[in-house]
Amino acid sequence: DQQVKQNSPSLSVQEGRISILNCDYTNSMFDYFLWYKKYPAEGPTFLISISSIKDKNEDGRFTVFLNKSAKHLSLHIVPSQPGDSAVYFCAASGSNDMRFGAGTRLTVKP
Amino acid sequence: EAGVAQSPRYKIIEKRQSVAFWCNPISGHATLYWYQQILGQGPKLLIQFQNNGVVDDSQLPKDRFSAERLKGVDSTLKIQPAKLEDSAVYLCASTERGGTGNEKLFFGSGTQLSVL
Repeated sequence: DQQVKQNSPSLSVQEGRISILNCDYTNSMFDYFLWYKKYPAEGPTFLISISSIKDKNEDGRFTVFLNKSAKHLSLHIVPSQPGDSAVYFCAASGSNDMRFGAGTRLTVKP
Repeated sequence: EAGVAQSPRYKIIEKRQSVAFWCNPISGHATLYWYQQILGQGPKLLIQFQNNGVVDDSQLPKDRFSAERLKGVDSTLKIQPAKLEDSAVYLCASTERGGTGNEKLFFGSGTQLSVL
């Protein structure tokens, strides 16, 4: 039952460049989407979210884009920094049901 | 603000043994969640409490897993008996209100369980 999919297990980018992490979902009842960031030996921490009534939300270097017709969202990090190296989880929720993707490991090289 | 506290951080047991995990959510948070995260997968919800009542335990393997939230604050998750496939990180999370899904979760650092 993979209602939320992150098809890229890993991504490597150069410091200063853009990182784009992608996420697809199948359940059209999801109406709120979140990105979490996880460092080793720590729990996930909230990064940014977007409601289904919007198509873009920006917070500093982080921007989330939502394409409801394609059931696709993406996280853009510009510029990428070595400290951004972590596992990023996409999550989707609706009616008190939150589902997570399997995560994408981002490595930002100096 | 103190975060979500979990203990122990690591636990190694043999199959068929029992184990218990403890969680103290952020003060005042009404909703508490237990998630299981198997290596290479995203967190999977096991059980959700609102105050001390169970909201959702549809994915909890009730033949071996049990959980309680006494007085609507701390919570314990127990596995008895453990199987090899229970090896995972068990994450506790809390939210202030819960009930709508449109709310970010605050996670603890998790308990890494290895069943040998």
